[in-house]
Amino acid sequence: AQRVTQPEKLLSVFKGAPVELKCNYSYSGSPELFWYVQYSRQRLQLLLRHISRESIKGFTADLNKGETSFHLKKPFAQEEDSAMYYCALSGTGGYQKVTFGTGTKLQVIP
Amino acid sequence: NAGVMQNPRHLVRRRGQEARLRCSPMKGHSHVYWYRQLPEEGLKFMVYLQKENIIDESGMPKERFSAEFPKEGPSILRIQQVVRGDSAAYFCASSPSDSVNEQFFGPGTRLTVL
Repeated sequence: AQRVTQPEKLLSVFKGAPVELKCNYSYSGSPELFWYVQYSRQRLQLLLRHISRESIKGFTADLNKGETSFHLKKPFAQEEDSAMYYCALSGTGGYQKVTFGTGTKLQVIP
Repeated sequence: NAGVMQNPRHLVRRRGQEARLRCSPMKGHSHVYWYRQLPEEGLKFMVYLQKENIIDESGMPKERFSAEFPKEGPSILRIQQVVRGDSAAYFCASSPSDSVNEQFFGPGTRLTVL
C-alpha cells in the first residue's frame, strides 16, 4: 500500500524565514513524488516533481529514499507563498494511482 | 486552452436526491480522475477513466456512486440517493496520454447535502 504523510496541518513562518514542509511516504517500489499547491480561490496545480529536479518559485525538494522523505524547502519565505501544499506519490511505469497527503497550510506572516 | 472545467461549482441536494457532477478535461486529454476531499482531510482517489472505459475504480464506494466518460461529452460522477456524509468537494483532474502521472485539476464542485 502507498501512503503519504504530511505531519503538519499548519505551518506559520515570518516573511524572510526559511520554510520546510515535511512529507514522508511509504511505497514498496520506485516512487515518483510531487508537490502540488493550491493558492486561495485557485485550483490545485503542480509545483514540482522530483524527476525534473527543478526549482520553482524558489522551492526545491529532494527525494531521500533512505528516510523516505520528500520535504519541500525554500530559503526565504514570501507572503505570496501562503497556500495549501499537498505532497503526492505514484509509482513509475504506465498508469499508477496518485496518492495525496492531507496537506499543509503555509501561512507567511508579514 | 481553458483548462479542466467542472460544473456546477456548487451543488445543493436534499437527502435521497441524485447528484450529477460534470468534468470536461483539457483539450487533448483522454484520461480523467475523480477525487473527493472531505473536511479536514486530503484528496482521496475515487476513479480513473479513459474514454468509454473505467480503468481503476478502487476508490469508489461500492454503492450509490458511479462514473462514466463517454466518447462524446464530459465525464460524469453520479451519486444516487445522497446522504449527509456525501457532502464534500469533488475534484476532477485530467492528464495527457503520454504523461499520465502529471495531472491538471479542475476548480472542484462543492456538494452540500441538506
